[in-house]
Amino acid sequence: DAGVIQSPRHEVTEMGQEVTLRCKPISGHNSLFWYRQTMMRGLELLIYFNNNVPIDDSGMPEDRFSAKMPNASFSTLKIQPSEPRDSAVYFCASSLQRGESEQFFGPGTRLTVL
Amino acid sequence: AQSVTQLGSHVSVSEGALVLLRCNYSSSVPPYLFWYVQYPNQGLQLLLKYTSAATLVKGINGFEAEFKKSETSFHLTKPSAHMSDAAEYFCAVSLSGAGSYQLTFGKGTKLSVIP
Repeated sequence: DAGVIQSPRHEVTEMGQEVTLRCKPISGHNSLFWYRQTMMRGLELLIYFNNNVPIDDSGMPEDRFSAKMPNASFSTLKIQPSEPRDSAVYFCASSLQRGESEQFFGPGTRLTVL
Repeated sequence: AQSVTQLGSHVSVSEGALVLLRCNYSSSVPPYLFWYVQYPNQGLQLLLKYTSAATLVKGINGFEAEFKKSETSFHLTKPSAHMSDAAEYFCAVSLSGAGSYQLTFGKGTKLSVIP
């Protein structure tokens, strides 16, 4: 398996623009997680899905952020409109739906909002 | 609710010296515990995990960790540090209760290895 795939790897955009980050989880995994990592705040869980259904989105910073999982092999995280403080590395991770199962992380998308 | 505390945001060791990274957890039910490593500009990679089978867990790259329930600790060790061990290390906890698939991460410890 290719592991968790994220695209793009790098994104530079201007304030106010819409940004869409994409994730393909490992085949067979039924839990998917979106994280944000910054120097100031560390690693934060934004939202996670079980069987394509959002379970906990309490980490989503505000209404400008939205996430979807239309099927088991694809998820998006959208920021509209983007702001400079959204600059961070965004990770997607997937796992089996068991507490002892580890999460497998993608390589991340480095977002810079100018 | 669960939480993780990693003591020391930065740890420096000499090449060949013992590596000890500390992690304490708080959990209302028996936990599952994980150590992840993050190399610069990469995602997190699993080093090892504790799932109640054995208290001493061996992982990749010569790392191991011991689960101590009485101390609520899960410290990560390696007998001899290598330059390639320089990275950031994260401890994480998951609950063993049904429906708990979320990991709670510590703030991370950045390990520097001095030649």
